[in-house]
Amino acid sequence: GEDVEQSLFLSVREGDSSVINCTYTDSSSTYLYWYKQEPGAGLQLLTYIFSNMDMKQDQRLTVLLNKKDKHLSLRIADTQTGDSAIYFCAEGDAGNKLTFGGGTRVLVKP
Amino acid sequence: EAQVTQNPRYLITVTGKKLTVTCSQNMNHEYMSWYRQDPGLGLRQIYYSMNVEVTDKGDVPEGYKVSRKEKRNFPLILESPSPNQTSLYFCASRSTGRSSYNEQFFGPGTRLTVL
Repeated sequence: GEDVEQSLFLSVREGDSSVINCTYTDSSSTYLYWYKQEPGAGLQLLTYIFSNMDMKQDQRLTVLLNKKDKHLSLRIADTQTGDSAIYFCAEGDAGNKLTFGGGTRVLVKP
Repeated sequence: EAQVTQNPRYLITVTGKKLTVTCSQNMNHEYMSWYRQDPGLGLRQIYYSMNVEVTDKGDVPEGYKVSRKEKRNFPLILESPSPNQTSLYFCASRSTGRSSYNEQFFGPGTRLTVL
């Protein structure tokens, strides 16, 4: 079955860039997503990328997709304390079933 | 306001006592789904529904039931809860239209503890 892997934890200083990495196995993925979960809250869609794209930029967020290596990354520029959260990578198939990674907890230090 | 609501938000119960977690959405979405979130495992799909009276198993359906009698509601039923069902549960919904990336909207979560 599909599998999505992420590192568990990332610590970054305020103002630096954060890079969260994700690998997936399903070559038939149509969309790949990044969700953010703040403490005590549900998941909020941050951004997504269609599988035939290499890169997508949205304000401070840059998504890079290497389809050959099945590697997805999320870069957050000028990381702020409000960016502290758990970030989930997810891949969606043609039926739009989502398979989630285990989540990366990002801690932003002042 | 477009939203997915879940009730209760927190629940502590004992083994074997039947419970229902409700989920409701006001966006007229066809697709609804239940996930459980456990540390390090991300979200795993329990059941999903493509429309009224159409439900199917996800990746971890054992010990759970669902029903979809109305488009807006998708309750999750635990007939005989066990401690390994202690988890954080999320309901989600989305449109099944083909014109968009079909964002899933998530509820705020229900934290369940089974003693």
